[in-house]
Amino acid sequence: DQQVKQNSPSLSVQEGRISILNCDYTNSMFDYFLWYKKYPAEGPTFLISISSIKDKNEDGRFTVFLNKSAKHLSLHIVPSQPGDSAVYFCAASEASGTYKYIFGTGTRLKVLA
Amino acid sequence: NAGVTQTPKFRVLKTGQSMTLLCAQDMNHEYMYWYRQDPGMGLRLIHYSVGEGTTAKGEVPDGYNVSRLKKQNFLLGLESAAPSQTSVYFCASSDRVNQPQHFGDGTRLSIL
Repeated sequence: DQQVKQNSPSLSVQEGRISILNCDYTNSMFDYFLWYKKYPAEGPTFLISISSIKDKNEDGRFTVFLNKSAKHLSLHIVPSQPGDSAVYFCAASEASGTYKYIFGTGTRLKVLA
Repeated sequence: NAGVTQTPKFRVLKTGQSMTLLCAQDMNHEYMYWYRQDPGMGLRLIHYSVGEGTTAKGEVPDGYNVSRLKKQNFLLGLESAAPSQTSVYFCASSDRVNQPQHFGDGTRLSIL
């Protein structure tokens, strides 16, 4: 049973436009969410996070939105750049001290020049 | 600044062989994790450790053992490798609960 779902395996966007990556979760106890970016032959690198007490967090071109009632989060990249082409994973954890993160299956973003 | 280092980067094993994957971190992090990544499956947690001398099972622990004898090292062992364990293995560490994890670059393991 996949508790964190990324239903779009791939996404293509023109350079300069907005990229929107989506993530849905089923466990209502999740209260901390992260996005990671992964290039081929490298490990995932942390991009941005959000706790459940917020509904938005921004860091430069990256913004994460959290809709708790819909159990949905999204990552917006504006403007998209060719260097953003990578696989993006969302992850979630509970703040009850389980120390564990559940990852989605990833979305491959391709930004076209 | 090395961060999280995994050795080896690649390995091919025959069914039934054993091996140990090494993860070393130089950030003095308390928590360390082993994941496997398979096509279409995302990252799945194998085992994790919340401090030196501690280990715990994750989502897919069967067929693996781990040890954390030193704070900076987390070892993942395969006692009798099976083709189903062909995967890319990632190690990660973090310094507190609900903090971003730092990942190594992975070990690509093929079992024939």
